[in-house]
Amino acid sequence: SQTIHQWPATLVQPVGSPLSLECTVEGTSNPNLYWYRQAAGRGLQLLFYSVGIGQISSEVPQNLSASRPQDRQFILSSKKLLLSDSGFYLCAWSVQVYGYTFGSGTRLTVV
Amino acid sequence: QQQVKQSPQSLIVQKGGISIINCAYENTAFDYFPWYQQFPGKGPALLIAIRPDVSEKKEGRFTISFNKSAKQFSLHIMDSQPGDSATYFCAARKGGSYIPTFGRGTSLIVHP
Repeated sequence: SQTIHQWPATLVQPVGSPLSLECTVEGTSNPNLYWYRQAAGRGLQLLFYSVGIGQISSEVPQNLSASRPQDRQFILSSKKLLLSDSGFYLCAWSVQVYGYTFGSGTRLTVV
Repeated sequence: QQQVKQSPQSLIVQKGGISIINCAYENTAFDYFPWYQQFPGKGPALLIAIRPDVSEKKEGRFTISFNKSAKQFSLHIMDSQPGDSATYFCAARKGGSYIPTFGRGTSLIVHP
């Protein structure tokens, strides 16, 4: 069965520090991968998506970047975190047209 | 421009009552309408979904009602339980696209 792993679950980072969040998918090949951010107001904001290795599409210009070094690995990064980067970050994947599965999320607090 | 409008933003229901969350869309190219349930500190999980060729889909206590002409769909939770307390997102997806458009979410609290 397919599973999605996202870590860490929680993270507290100082302003100006770098960020690396990792997401991996097991049990499937060539998934579409997505990064979402959920602010305190609950809404889901699509940040990046990838349809293949090295292919990244950005939905919102910001202080973050994404990379897909392997088929089932998706990384969200920042060189210097801002206070406004705080939030709940969710990775998701899909293969079939109607499938869309989220990971358990990373709570990032920038202090 | 918000393509999927969800209401209410928050909802409080007594145990055993009916919870109703409504969504409206504008794009007639949408052909798949899922609902997601999210518990605090967790990622959203697919709850139930419907395609526009049917007007209703029921899974246990959860029912989606779909009105194609009005471009509206709603989630009904019958016999609501405290364990149903969560945030619910409606979504709509265009044919050929993998990325759904999400509503802004409804925070449901079911009082015991």
